[in-house]
Amino acid sequence: KAGVTQTPRYLIKTRGQQVTLSCSPISGHRSVSWYQQTPGQGLQFLFEYFSETQRNKGNFPGRFSGRQFSNSRSEMNVSTLELGDSALYLCASSLVVGQANEQFFGPGTRLTVL
Amino acid sequence: AQSVTQPDIHITVSEGASLELRCNYSYGATPYLFWYVQSPGQGLQLLLKYFSGDTLVQGIKGFEAEFKRSQSSFNLRKPSVHWSDAAEYFCAVGATGNQFYFGTGTSLTVIP
Repeated sequence: KAGVTQTPRYLIKTRGQQVTLSCSPISGHRSVSWYQQTPGQGLQFLFEYFSETQRNKGNFPGRFSGRQFSNSRSEMNVSTLELGDSALYLCASSLVVGQANEQFFGPGTRLTVL
Repeated sequence: AQSVTQPDIHITVSEGASLELRCNYSYGATPYLFWYVQSPGQGLQLLLKYFSGDTLVQGIKGFEAEFKRSQSSFNLRKPSVHWSDAAEYFCAVGATGNQFYFGTGTSLTVIP
């Protein structure tokens, strides 16, 4: 069974631009979560989607948004990019939603904002 | 509030030596605890998890962890480290839904 895939793997943008990252969960998994990983802040939860609905949201500004499609694929969007948005963005999928189901992580998208 | 503390930012061990990585958590209810490993340029791979029951859990690659409620700890151990174990290790507590709170990670260096 294929793992979680994320595209693109690397991205370079400039301040003020917007970016869209994509995540395809493991086949059959309906929950997708997004995390931002930076050296200073570590791994921080962005949001979680299940059945096309946002179930949970972390403490990030409204510039960060996401959505999930009927096939469980998910995208996250960051508008008006700032230098501090440079990070590794990780997507994780899980079979169902509920407290602490095992999550399977993708390789991440490395975003660099210049 | 939920939080995870990994006191050791970086640890260096010799190949073949034993390893213990520390993790302390703060969580109001029964914790669901995880250890993940991240190799350079890779995502996170689950090593082991604790939901309930036996407080000593076995994971992949010869790792184990012990849940101690009285100490709010979930330390990761391995009796004999291999060079391929060099990586970043993250402890996490599962909260509402699938939201995880991660520690800041411990970087492991293995010297021959």
